[in-house]
Amino acid sequence: QVQLVQSGAEVKKPGASVKVSCKASGYTFTAYYIHWVRQAPGQGLEWMGWINPNSGGTNYAQKFQDSVTMTRDTSISTAYMELNRLRSDDTAVYYCTRDPYGGNFDYWGQGTLVTVSS
Amino acid sequence: QSALTQPASVSGSPGQSITISCTGTSSDIGDYKYVSWYQQHPGKAPKVMIYEVSNRPSGVSNRFSGSKSGNTASLTISGLQAEDEADYYCSSYTGRILEFGGGTKLTVL
Repeated sequence: QVQLVQSGAEVKKPGASVKVSCKASGYTFTAYYIHWVRQAPGQGLEWMGWINPNSGGTNYAQKFQDSVTMTRDTSISTAYMELNRLRSDDTAVYYCTRDPYGGNFDYWGQGTLVTVSS
Repeated sequence: QSALTQPASVSGSPGQSITISCTGTSSDIGDYKYVSWYQQHPGKAPKVMIYEVSNRPSGVSNRFSGSKSGNTASLTISGLQAEDEADYYCSSYTGRILEFGGGTKLTVL
C-alpha cells in the first residue's frame, strides 16, 4: 500500500534551518510529483511547491522562492524540504503529498510539526 | 489572504444539502480544469473528495459532488451526516502553481 512517512517533530530557533523528510513506499517513487503543503496552528492550507522526483526539477510558490529547497534521493525513495531563515510564523505542520496529476493529492504524509521559538 | 475565496462557515441539519463556493479569477479557476476539494478533520491530514472539478475518487461517497461555473467552483454535500462535519478546502492548479482557498468549516447541526 502507498505510504508517505515523514520525519519527526522539530523545535528550532529563529534564523535556523529545518529539513523535513518524506519517505515513499508502495509505488514507483519517480512516477509521481511530491508537493509540500503547510498549515499553521488554526489556519488553512498553504502550498509551498513541488519536486519532480524523476528529474529533480522543482517549482516553488513565490512566497518561498528565497527560503525553501526541495530535493530527493531516489536511492531511498525520499523527498526533502528544507526551510531556511526560520521565523516564528513558520511554526506549522508540514505535509508532503503525492500528485498523480493535476494537483489531485491522493496520499498524504502524517505531517511534521515544526515549532520556531526562541 | 488566500487567492481563492471560500465562506468561513456553513451549516446544515442531518439529511439536508449544503453547497460551499470557491471563487477565483479567470487566471485560475476560470481557465483550468484542475479544481480539487479536500476534507480535513481535526488533527488529520486532508483527504481529497473531488478532483478535476467534478470527479470523485474511488471510495468517496456519491453524496459529494463538484461543479464549476465561470470563476467559481462549488462543492455540494447531499444527505448531510454527522461525520461530514469538518473543514473543506478548494484548490486550483495551473500545472505549475497551486492555490488553496481559505477553508470552510462545516457544522452539522
